[in-house]
Amino acid sequence: DTGVSQDPRHKITKRGQNVTFRCDPISEHNRLYWYRQTLGQGPEFLTYFQNEAQLEKSRLLSDRFSAERPKGSFSTLEIQRTEQGDSAMYLCASSLSQGSGELFFGEGSRLTVL
Amino acid sequence: GEDVEQSLFLSVREGDSSVINCTYTDSSSTYLYWYKQEPGAGLQLLTYIFSNMDMKQDQRLTVLLNKKDKHLSLRIADTQTGDSAIYFCAESSTAGNKLTFGGGTRVLVKP
Repeated sequence: DTGVSQDPRHKITKRGQNVTFRCDPISEHNRLYWYRQTLGQGPEFLTYFQNEAQLEKSRLLSDRFSAERPKGSFSTLEIQRTEQGDSAMYLCASSLSQGSGELFFGEGSRLTVL
Repeated sequence: GEDVEQSLFLSVREGDSSVINCTYTDSSSTYLYWYKQEPGAGLQLLTYIFSNMDMKQDQRLTVLLNKKDKHLSLRIADTQTGDSAIYFCAESSTAGNKLTFGGGTRVLVKP
């Protein structure tokens, strides 16, 4: 399977702990996106990369959140000092920078902060 | 900023047509997309339309775009129980840039 994969699929943590999510995009895709989705809402944009460069960050991305894509392939999203409000599904997507701009989504990493 | 609005819920009988509506505010929207999300699954692209088009048909799916009113619709012909899902409208001002999603319309298909 050459789709977008995310790990872990589920994470339960206590408030104040740090968590890290990993995303492996489709191999030939140069753009990678992170979104957050809470229950009953549409996905909200967090940040995106073109190759290893982080091109845009949403205001939603507080200083407790950091994303990296060090070699322009996989990406990590780290949340430090988690809060209950961080509980959500974190979605990763990838795309080519040309063509229709179709985003291919992974199945997401669900975070529950107790 | 960009805003995308959708109705929350649609109930339809199996075999009937479904129409899901979406409005957006960004006049520079160039690409408009419809995604489907089934329970526990990621988002799947159904179809997209460029802003210079009025209509696009793809098998049972028909997308209509009224650029003047910033209104997008998705019609599903001969709706099946497998079409029960949440449908998201999304817009982008440039291909490959971030998408702004609506809140989703939950479609329930009754036998």
